[in-house]
Amino acid sequence: AQKVTQAQTEISVVEKEDVTLDCVYETRDTTYYLFWYKQPPSGELVFLIRRNSFDEQNEISGRYSWNFQKSTSSFNFTITASQVVDSAVYFCALSEARIQGAQKLVFGQGTRLTINP
Amino acid sequence: DSGVTQTPKHLITATGQRVTLRCSPRSGDLSVYWYQQSLDQGLQFLIQYYNGEERAKGNILERFSAQQFPDLHSELNLSSLELGDSALYFCASSVEGRGGLSPLHFGNGTRLTVT
Repeated sequence: AQKVTQAQTEISVVEKEDVTLDCVYETRDTTYYLFWYKQPPSGELVFLIRRNSFDEQNEISGRYSWNFQKSTSSFNFTITASQVVDSAVYFCALSEARIQGAQKLVFGQGTRLTINP
Repeated sequence: DSGVTQTPKHLITATGQRVTLRCSPRSGDLSVYWYQQSLDQGLQFLIQYYNGEERAKGNILERFSAQQFPDLHSELNLSSLELGDSALYFCASSVEGRGGLSPLHFGNGTRLTVT
């Protein structure tokens, strides 16, 4: 069975600090996809990144970076020089590709990140 | 703006009633998904439709049903509502391609309150 664990329920930091959100996943499949979504206070879910199981390259997008390590089944997310606008709940999610086009995202419980000015 | 439109934004109804939530996917997206977000269960996948046909099913109750119409919009029907059905219901859409699973783009959700 698939499972995503985000052990950090809440994180609070001061603006400009770097912060890492942890994500550990479980799956029996060799082909799978990992995602990060952001849910700001307004409530919508915003897609941040997708990574497939064959691509272990780390990715950087501005102040955001992701570290994918299959050996530890982790897909961690780092925000550098955090800003107040980064305050949100962040979800890590996993999807197995069993049937062409079928996609069931399994979400972690989310990490509530608060950036204080 | 994700391009996925959900209506209504808020819905308040009584136990035992039936409601319909509506979703219009992004232009060009053939897949529509429904998710439920509640405090105790978190984000749970309910069901996926692709071009009018059911593609995948999750933890959807028998009291709930969905369909996708020829114009690709989708409706989620919730009947015999219980207090525990109070939640934020998200619709998402994606484009299917050869490059693996496409990311889901979510609407703003419909907040259902059952009293």
